[in-house]
Amino acid sequence: QVQLQESGPGLVKPSQTLSLTCTVSGGSISSGGYYWTWIRQHPGKGLEWIGYISYSGNTYHNPSLQSRVTISGDTSKNQFSLKLSSVTAADTAVYYCARVQSGGFGDVWGQGTTVTVSS
Amino acid sequence: DIVMTQSPDSLAVSLGERATINCKSSQSVLYSSNNKNHLAWYQQKPGQPPKLLIYWASTRESGVPDRFSGSGSGTDFTLTISSLQAEDVAVYYCQQYYTTPYTFGQGTKLEIK
Repeated sequence: QVQLQESGPGLVKPSQTLSLTCTVSGGSISSGGYYWTWIRQHPGKGLEWIGYISYSGNTYHNPSLQSRVTISGDTSKNQFSLKLSSVTAADTAVYYCARVQSGGFGDVWGQGTTVTVSS
Repeated sequence: DIVMTQSPDSLAVSLGERATINCKSSQSVLYSSNNKNHLAWYQQKPGQPPKLLIYWASTRESGVPDRFSGSGSGTDFTLTISSLQAEDVAVYYCQQYYTTPYTFGQGTKLEIK
């Protein structure tokens, strides 16, 4: 059974870079057909698709985040990571990693990690 | 971006009664090449991540009780809970995966009346 677990600092200062890692167990991130995805949820709000890295290493990020997003994978550790630069208070959210089927729906999610941007 | 609009924002239903949540997309999410609607439904309980309930608009995820069903096509979709149970209290989201960036509805909060 595939499980995902987010890790990273819970507090980031404005203008710095938010860095999170998702560790995958029970399955390989290089398995065909899956997109390893980051999604966030602002406090009391809905869900926002950040981006993904595919099983083959292709990446995509939401244009709304401009060029601040970098998503990478480490197959040796079976992890994928999110870096979000130049953060502001608007980036305060719960960040989820998820396994997304090739169709585009997320069938396995991590528990989420809360990141607060504050000085 | 495709805008997903859910209605109502909140809903109170008696135990054992039917609950209906609507989702409308700003453009069709029916893909002509596979004749499938690229629409999913999720359930989120407090302090938990979203849980996939329905994909391809009407296919129930494994392990999801059959009181949950999805319907609709094109731009208009519905999630129905046929007989509300106490454990169904949650926020429900629709999501389109027709085109990137994939987008979610704003959520519908379901409570017990």
